[in-house]
Amino acid sequence: DSGVTQTPKHLITATGQRVTLRCSPRSGDLSVYWYQQSLDQGLQFLIQYYNGEERAKGNILERFSAQQFPDLHSELNLSSLELGDSALYFCASSGQGSSYNEQFFGPGTRLTVL
Amino acid sequence: AQKITQTQPGMFVQEKEAVTLDCTYDTSDQSYGLFWYKQPSSGEMIFLIYQGSYDEQNATEGRYSLNFQKARKSANLVISASQLGDSAMYFCAMRVRQAGTALIFGKGTTLSVSS
Repeated sequence: DSGVTQTPKHLITATGQRVTLRCSPRSGDLSVYWYQQSLDQGLQFLIQYYNGEERAKGNILERFSAQQFPDLHSELNLSSLELGDSALYFCASSGQGSSYNEQFFGPGTRLTVL
Repeated sequence: AQKITQTQPGMFVQEKEAVTLDCTYDTSDQSYGLFWYKQPSSGEMIFLIYQGSYDEQNATEGRYSLNFQKARKSANLVISASQLGDSAMYFCAMRVRQAGTALIFGKGTTLSVSS
Protein backbone atom coordinates (compact mmCIF):
# COMPACT_ATOMS: atom_id res chain seq x y z
CA ASP A 1 0.00 0.00 0.00
CA SER A 2 1.58 3.25 -1.21
CA GLY A 3 -0.54 5.47 1.04
CA VAL A 4 -2.07 7.24 -1.97
CA THR A 5 -5.80 6.69 -2.40
CA GLN A 6 -7.88 7.18 -5.49
CA THR A 7 -11.62 7.03 -5.99
CA PRO A 8 -13.48 5.64 -7.72
CA LYS A 9 -11.62 2.50 -8.76
CA HIS A 10 -13.72 2.05 -11.88
CA LEU A 11 -15.86 4.51 -13.80
CA ILE A 12 -18.03 3.79 -16.81
CA THR A 13 -19.67 6.68 -18.59
CA ALA A 14 -20.85 7.84 -21.99
CA THR A 15 -19.33 10.14 -24.56
CA GLY A 16 -19.96 13.80 -23.92
CA GLN A 17 -20.22 13.36 -20.17
CA ARG A 18 -18.10 14.87 -17.40
CA VAL A 19 -16.43 12.97 -14.57
CA THR A 20 -14.31 13.81 -11.53
CA LEU A 21 -11.50 11.63 -10.27
CA ARG A 22 -10.31 12.09 -6.73
CA CYS A 23 -6.91 11.57 -5.16
CA SER A 24 -5.62 11.78 -1.60
CA PRO A 25 -1.81 11.93 -1.39
CA ARG A 26 0.34 10.28 1.25
CA SER A 27 0.23 12.05 4.57
CA GLY A 28 2.47 15.10 4.41
CA ASP A 29 3.18 14.97 0.67
CA LEU A 30 2.68 18.36 -0.94
CA SER A 31 3.09 17.35 -4.58
CA VAL A 32 0.40 15.58 -6.55
CA TYR A 33 0.85 14.35 -10.10
CA TRP A 34 -1.72 13.02 -12.52
CA TYR A 35 -0.79 10.50 -15.22
CA GLN A 36 -2.80 8.81 -17.94
CA GLN A 37 -2.02 5.27 -19.09
CA SER A 38 -3.55 4.16 -22.37
CA LEU A 39 -2.65 1.43 -24.82
CA ASP A 40 -1.69 3.78 -27.62
CA GLN A 41 -0.05 6.63 -25.64
CA GLY A 42 1.51 4.64 -22.83
CA LEU A 43 2.05 6.41 -19.51
CA GLN A 44 2.07 10.15 -19.85
CA PHE A 45 2.20 13.01 -17.42
CA LEU A 46 -0.80 15.29 -17.33
CA ILE A 47 -0.36 17.87 -14.59
CA GLN A 48 1.32 18.54 -11.25
CA TYR A 49 0.19 20.51 -8.23
CA TYR A 50 2.33 21.58 -5.32
CA ASN A 51 0.68 22.79 -2.13
CA GLY A 52 -2.39 24.00 -3.97
CA GLU A 53 -0.63 25.66 -6.89
CA GLU A 54 -0.26 24.32 -10.41
CA ARG A 55 3.44 23.51 -10.85
CA ALA A 56 3.79 21.85 -14.25
CA LYS A 57 1.70 20.81 -17.20
CA GLY A 58 2.25 17.90 -19.51
CA ASN A 59 0.08 16.53 -22.28
CA ILE A 60 -3.19 17.59 -20.71
CA LEU A 61 -6.10 18.33 -23.00
CA GLU A 62 -8.04 21.56 -22.64
CA ARG A 63 -11.11 19.47 -21.79
CA PHE A 64 -9.28 18.28 -18.69
CA SER A 65 -8.61 20.34 -15.59
CA ALA A 66 -7.38 19.70 -12.09
CA GLN A 67 -7.09 21.37 -8.74
CA GLN A 68 -5.56 20.73 -5.34
CA PHE A 69 -7.47 21.71 -2.27
CA PRO A 70 -6.21 23.12 1.07
CA ASP A 71 -6.30 19.63 2.60
CA LEU A 72 -3.98 18.60 -0.29
CA HIS A 73 -6.37 16.20 -1.95
CA SER A 74 -6.69 16.68 -5.69
CA GLU A 75 -9.38 16.24 -8.28
CA LEU A 76 -9.02 15.68 -12.01
CA ASN A 77 -12.01 16.81 -14.03
CA LEU A 78 -12.57 15.33 -17.47
CA SER A 79 -15.30 16.84 -19.62
CA SER A 80 -16.84 16.29 -23.06
CA LEU A 81 -15.53 12.77 -22.84
CA GLU A 82 -14.51 10.90 -25.98
CA LEU A 83 -13.92 7.21 -26.59
CA GLY A 84 -10.19 7.89 -26.68
CA ASP A 85 -10.24 9.14 -23.09
CA SER A 86 -10.73 5.59 -21.89
CA ALA A 87 -7.62 4.88 -19.86
CA LEU A 88 -6.17 4.20 -16.44
CA TYR A 89 -5.63 7.46 -14.58
CA PHE A 90 -3.02 7.49 -11.88
CA CYS A 91 -2.40 9.97 -9.14
CA ALA A 92 1.04 10.03 -7.56
CA SER A 93 2.44 12.01 -4.67
CA SER A 94 5.91 12.88 -3.50
CA GLY A 95 7.53 14.91 -0.80
CA GLN A 96 7.94 14.02 2.83
CA GLY A 97 9.82 10.79 3.37
CA SER A 98 10.90 10.31 -0.22
CA SER A 99 14.67 10.33 -0.48
CA TYR A 100 14.92 10.82 -4.21
CA ASN A 101 11.63 12.57 -4.77
CA GLU A 102 10.31 9.23 -5.93
CA GLN A 103 6.66 9.26 -6.66
CA PHE A 104 4.24 6.93 -4.93
CA PHE A 105 1.36 5.90 -7.10
CA GLY A 106 -2.22 5.31 -6.16
CA PRO A 107 -4.10 2.24 -7.41
CA GLY A 108 -5.55 4.19 -10.34
CA THR A 109 -9.02 4.90 -11.67
CA ARG A 110 -10.00 2.92 -14.74
CA LEU A 111 -12.20 5.08 -16.92
CA THR A 112 -14.27 3.50 -19.67
CA VAL A 113 -16.08 5.79 -22.07
CA LEU A 114 -18.82 4.07 -24.09
CA ALA B 1 13.93 16.47 -25.98
CA GLN B 2 13.84 13.97 -23.15
CA LYS B 3 13.01 10.41 -24.04
CA ILE B 4 13.11 6.92 -22.56
CA THR B 5 13.42 3.90 -24.84
CA GLN B 6 12.67 0.33 -23.84
CA THR B 7 13.26 -1.88 -26.86
CA GLN B 8 12.11 -5.21 -25.42
CA PRO B 9 8.32 -5.56 -25.57
CA GLY B 10 8.50 -8.92 -23.84
CA MET B 11 11.05 -11.02 -21.99
CA PHE B 12 10.81 -14.63 -20.86
CA VAL B 13 12.88 -16.15 -18.08
CA GLN B 14 12.81 -19.23 -15.88
CA GLU B 15 12.58 -19.12 -12.13
CA LYS B 16 15.89 -18.52 -10.34
CA GLU B 17 17.54 -17.12 -13.45
CA ALA B 18 18.75 -13.54 -13.73
CA VAL B 19 17.24 -11.20 -16.30
CA THR B 20 18.23 -7.80 -17.66
CA LEU B 21 15.63 -5.31 -18.86
CA ASP B 22 17.04 -2.66 -21.16
CA CYS B 23 16.51 1.08 -20.90
CA THR B 24 18.19 3.90 -22.76
CA TYR B 25 17.52 7.56 -22.20
CA ASP B 26 18.07 10.81 -23.98
CA THR B 27 18.57 14.14 -22.28
CA SER B 28 20.94 17.04 -22.57
CA ASP B 29 20.55 17.88 -18.89
CA GLN B 30 23.43 16.97 -16.59
CA SER B 31 21.18 16.47 -13.58
CA TYR B 32 18.57 13.75 -13.84
CA GLY B 33 17.21 10.75 -12.04
CA LEU B 34 16.31 7.33 -13.38
CA PHE B 35 13.62 5.12 -11.92
CA TRP B 36 12.22 1.66 -12.43
CA TYR B 37 8.62 0.81 -11.62
CA LYS B 38 6.83 -2.53 -11.67
CA GLN B 39 3.20 -2.85 -12.74
CA PRO B 40 1.63 -6.25 -11.96
CA SER B 41 -1.55 -7.35 -13.67
CA SER B 42 -3.53 -5.76 -10.84
CA GLY B 43 -2.46 -2.39 -12.24
CA GLU B 44 -0.70 -0.62 -9.39
CA MET B 45 2.68 1.04 -9.97
CA ILE B 46 5.37 -0.09 -7.55
CA PHE B 47 8.61 1.85 -7.17
CA LEU B 48 11.65 -0.45 -7.40
CA ILE B 49 14.90 1.46 -7.65
CA TYR B 50 16.46 4.86 -8.30
CA GLN B 51 19.74 6.07 -9.79
CA GLY B 52 20.88 9.67 -9.77
CA SER B 53 23.00 11.01 -12.59
CA TYR B 54 25.78 11.97 -10.18
CA ASP B 55 25.77 8.66 -8.32
CA GLU B 56 29.04 6.87 -8.97
CA GLN B 57 27.89 3.49 -7.79
CA ASN B 58 25.13 1.40 -9.30
CA ALA B 59 21.99 1.34 -7.20
CA THR B 60 20.88 -1.92 -5.60
CA GLU B 61 17.71 -2.82 -3.75
CA GLY B 62 17.53 -6.45 -2.73
CA ARG B 63 17.27 -8.56 -5.90
CA TYR B 64 17.14 -5.46 -8.08
CA SER B 65 20.19 -3.65 -9.35
CA LEU B 66 20.53 -0.87 -11.86
CA ASN B 67 23.37 -1.14 -14.36
CA PHE B 68 24.05 2.55 -15.00
CA GLN B 69 26.30 3.36 -17.96
CA LYS B 70 26.29 7.13 -18.25
CA ALA B 71 28.37 7.41 -21.41
CA ARG B 72 26.05 5.03 -23.20
CA LYS B 73 22.97 6.63 -21.61
CA SER B 74 21.67 3.31 -20.44
CA ALA B 75 20.05 2.29 -17.16
CA ASN B 76 19.29 -1.40 -17.36
CA LEU B 77 17.43 -3.19 -14.58
CA VAL B 78 18.88 -6.50 -13.46
CA ILE B 79 16.67 -8.88 -11.50
CA SER B 80 18.59 -11.71 -9.90
CA ALA B 81 17.03 -15.06 -9.01
CA SER B 82 13.70 -14.41 -10.73
CA GLN B 83 10.52 -15.45 -8.97
CA LEU B 84 7.05 -16.17 -10.34
CA GLY B 85 5.84 -13.01 -8.64
CA ASP B 86 8.20 -10.96 -10.78
CA SER B 87 5.92 -11.50 -13.78
CA ALA B 88 4.72 -7.98 -14.57
CA MET B 89 5.23 -4.96 -16.78
CA TYR B 90 8.36 -2.96 -15.98
CA PHE B 91 8.73 0.72 -16.74
CA CYS B 92 11.87 2.78 -16.89
CA ALA B 93 11.34 6.48 -16.13
CA MET B 94 13.38 9.65 -16.00
CA ARG B 95 13.11 12.92 -14.17
CA VAL B 96 15.05 15.84 -15.57
CA ARG B 97 15.67 18.87 -13.41
CA GLN B 98 15.03 21.41 -16.13
CA ALA B 99 11.68 19.80 -16.89
CA GLY B 100 10.42 19.82 -13.33
CA THR B 101 9.76 16.74 -11.26
CA ALA B 102 7.31 14.85 -13.43
CA LEU B 103 8.37 11.47 -14.77
CA ILE B 104 8.86 10.55 -18.40
CA PHE B 105 8.14 6.87 -18.96
CA GLY B 106 9.22 4.34 -21.52
CA LYS B 107 6.74 2.01 -23.21
CA GLY B 108 7.52 -0.80 -20.80
CA THR B 109 8.70 -4.40 -20.97
CA THR B 110 6.52 -7.34 -20.07
CA LEU B 111 8.43 -9.93 -18.06
CA SER B 112 7.12 -13.48 -17.85
CA VAL B 113 8.70 -15.86 -15.34
CA SER B 114 7.99 -19.56 -15.71
CA SER B 115 8.62 -22.47 -13.37
